[in-house]
Parts: sequence; structure tokens; C-alpha cells
Amino acid sequence: EVQLVESGGGLVQPGGSLRLSCEASGFTFSSYWMHWVRQIPGKGLEWVARINRDDGYAKTYADSVKGRFTISRDNAKNTLFLQMNNVRAEDTAVYYCVREMTERGHLFDNWGQGTLVTVSS
Amino acid sequence: EIVLTQSPATLSLSPGERATLSCRASQSVAFYLAWYQHKPGQAPRLLIYDASNRATGIPARFSGSGSGTDFTLTISSLEPEDFAVYYCQQRTNWPPTFGPGTKVDVK
Repeated sequence: EVQLVESGGGLVQPGGSLRLSCEASGFTFSSYWMHWVRQIPGKGLEWVARINRDDGYAKTYADSVKGRFTISRDNAKNTLFLQMNNVRAEDTAVYYCVREMTERGHLFDNWGQGTLVTVSS
Repeated sequence: EIVLTQSPATLSLSPGERATLSCRASQSVAFYLAWYQHKPGQAPRLLIYDASNRATGIPARFSGSGSGTDFTLTISSLEPEDFAVYYCQQRTNWPPTFGPGTKVDVK
């Protein structure tokens, strides 16, 4: 069974940093493109970032987080990361770790339960 | 970016009734439209991809149709576990975008 378990959320001050993690199990992690998607409280879903399978060198970001967030992966530990720097109030959201379906770009076939990030002073 | 609108915002129905949810795109997305189900505190679940293909393990009461700019998710007969929020998502153009959701609640 595919499992994606996020951690690392919490309260952070504006301008601060936070690192989210996602432990994957039940599938060959290195073989899949992975994403972060967020849900702002009371609102819809927003795609945040994507990283390619295998070497993790190809990364893309939403304009709203480019230059502030960094997605990365450690295939030896089956873990996906999101480094969030210079956070803003509008980054407050539940962050989901998401697996991309094989050979179907940006189609999300498995999601974690999410971790809440609150940006507030 | 492609904007998706969903209607209605809320659909109040009883178990056993048919649910019809709509998703409209600001420009053609061909057939690259997916539907997800989301319950509070749970992981979102992929229901339908490429407009009409059911994802693994999704019951046959869920069906999708449409192409271009207009899409429909139909739940033929609502089960108690189907009351949730449903989102559509396009992957034709970058960035991938989601609709605002339709909440299906108990009448």
C-alpha cells in the first residue's frame, strides 16, 4: 500500500524558515516524480513544486514560491523535502506530499494527509 | 494560467440520489482533466483522470465526461461515504490548476 506521511509543519514567524518532510513507503520512491500541493484554509488547492524521478535535478516551482522554497529528495531514505524560507502569511496552508502517476505529467495519484504550516507573529 | 470554475458550489442531496458536478475551463484543456475527492482530515483521492478514466479502485458509480472546456463528474447513486468536496484539475498547461471545489452535503 502506498503511504506518504508528511511532518515538520508548525507555527513560524513571517520571514522565518521551516523544512517539511515526507516519508514514502509501499512503492519504489526513486522511480516517481513527486510534488508538493497546498491548501490555504477555507480555499482550494494550489500546486507548489515538482521534482523529477531518479537524480532530482529537474525542479519547477509555482511563481508564488519561486526563490523562497526548495524541493529536494533523498532516494536512499525514501524522503521528499520542502525547504521554506522567507515565509509569508499567505504561505499558511496544509501542505500535501503528492506522487505523480507514471507517464502522466502533473496527474496526482496518491496524496499524504498533509501537514499544517501557520505563518504568524 | 488556466482558470477552472466549478458549479454548483454546494450540492445538497440525499443518499441514493444522482449527483452531477460541473467543471469549466477558461480555455481548452483537451481531455486532460481529473477529479479528486477530499474529506476533512483525509488525503485527497484521485477519482477520474483524462476526463473519463476511473482510477484504481474507484467504484463504477463514479463517471466522468467532457472535453475541451466543459466537463462533468457524475455519481450515479450517492453512498453515505460520498459526501465530500470534489475538485477538478487540469494538467494541459503549466502550472497545473485546480477548481475551487463543489461540496456535496446531506440534504
